[in-house]
Amino acid sequence: GAGVSQSPSNKVTEKGKDVELRCDPISGHTALYWYRQSLGQGLEFLIYFQGNSAPDKSGLPSDRFSAERTGGSVSTLTIQRTQQEDSAVYLCASSQLGTGELFFGEGSRLTVL
Amino acid sequence: SQQGEEDPQALSIQEGENATMNCSYKTSINNLQWYRQNSGRGLVHLILIRSNEREKHSGRLRVTLDTSKKSSSLLITASRAADTASYFCATEVGGNTPLVFGKGTRLSVIA
Repeated sequence: GAGVSQSPSNKVTEKGKDVELRCDPISGHTALYWYRQSLGQGLEFLIYFQGNSAPDKSGLPSDRFSAERTGGSVSTLTIQRTQQEDSAVYLCASSQLGTGELFFGEGSRLTVL
Repeated sequence: SQQGEEDPQALSIQEGENATMNCSYKTSINNLQWYRQNSGRGLVHLILIRSNEREKHSGRLRVTLDTSKKSSSLLITASRAADTASYFCATEVGGNTPLVFGKGTRLSVIA
């Protein structure tokens, strides 16, 4: 597709379960970002992939969170043993190296009961 | 940690009025960007201003940057009801670092 695609758009899970969120960036974009947005709040940086460089994981809130990017394209954010405070919208964005502009997906809304 | 902070947190104006939102940041930057977010949607890039630029225009948008005060403003002229959204500033500190977003300003334009 032409834009950043995220799935699922909505996920309801029980506390303690694992979830996987997927991001399909714009073709050719070398950089991929994950952010988290709680209700009515700003964006909290989670992790950043740039080309073949080691990802910047400095924003991951705990070791329950991990992400990978396969083949420099699709990325999966995994949250293990989900907690209620993990409930938020998880936003993925991609960009071309050097342009600065981020293109965002519509987000995955996670609700942990 | 939050690099940029927008002010005000919320703004309500009448259609046709101008809306001004401000952003302050803490460290030196490469560029500053403004994004818009409609309720329940992803963010959309509006404008990017580099650290060596002072003012930039795009349609009804005007962005200024004052690096000595570490602040930026976004002016939307002749506002429309469709401008109702949250507006975020984001700063890039270095060439290979992620954008850091503020908490946003919620703008309501009343028809």
